Amino acid sequence: GAVVSQHPSWVICKSGTSVKIECRSLDFQATTMFWYRQFPKQSLMLMATSNEGSKATYEQGVEKDKFLINHASLTLSTLTVTSAHPEDSSFYICSAFPGTDNNYEQYFGPGTRLTVT
Amino acid sequence: QKEVEQDPGPLSVPEGAIVSLNCTYSNSAFQYFMWYRQYSRKGPELLMYTYSSGNKEDGRFTAQVDKSSKYISLFIRDSQPSDSATYLCAMLKAAGNKLTFGGGTRVLVKP
Repeated sequence: GAVVSQHPSWVICKSGTSVKIECRSLDFQATTMFWYRQFPKQSLMLMATSNEGSKATYEQGVEKDKFLINHASLTLSTLTVTSAHPEDSSFYICSAFPGTDNNYEQYFGPGTRLTVT
Repeated sequence: QKEVEQDPGPLSVPEGAIVSLNCTYSNSAFQYFMWYRQYSRKGPELLMYTYSSGNKEDGRFTAQVDKSSKYISLFIRDSQPSDSATYLCAMLKAAGNKLTFGGGTRVLVKP
């Protein structure tokens, strides 16, 4: 099956610094990638949708200047949390959509746990 | 009102019992219906998907969709302790669109 990886799986950073999270589709090309965040015991909350080569579309209430998304290739999307604060501590998950005919499935990465101290 | 409603649980059942999960939705534009399983600190894993109203069976899992009532269900037969996880329903209006998730139901299968 299709595999999506995320790196790092776990990161701790100090308040005020920036952190980059990578999402890669390992065996398929992803026309669209989605970024979610998940707080403990809560569901996934979509942050943004990114299409290769174009600007990401952010959900209402998500600061685009704080959560920078780059989808530079069909296999890689990155999320950069800038000037991180403790309230940004969360579980960040990406998903990738192949965009092939009759395939609606999105494949999820294993997630990245961010802790801001 | 949320577009997709799901009882958060927790739902505790003895091993071997049938687990019954459900979601309701309000937007008739949803066309694809999925069930994901998520273990703690892991990404969601797709269990079942359905497009049309009716039943779909895959091993111990049965998914039901009733579009007229805007109601979907997932049944897990012969539940095992390894089925203990959070189960999320999700819906899609069209391929490539964003998924709309329910809040998730925590399930605990006791040995």
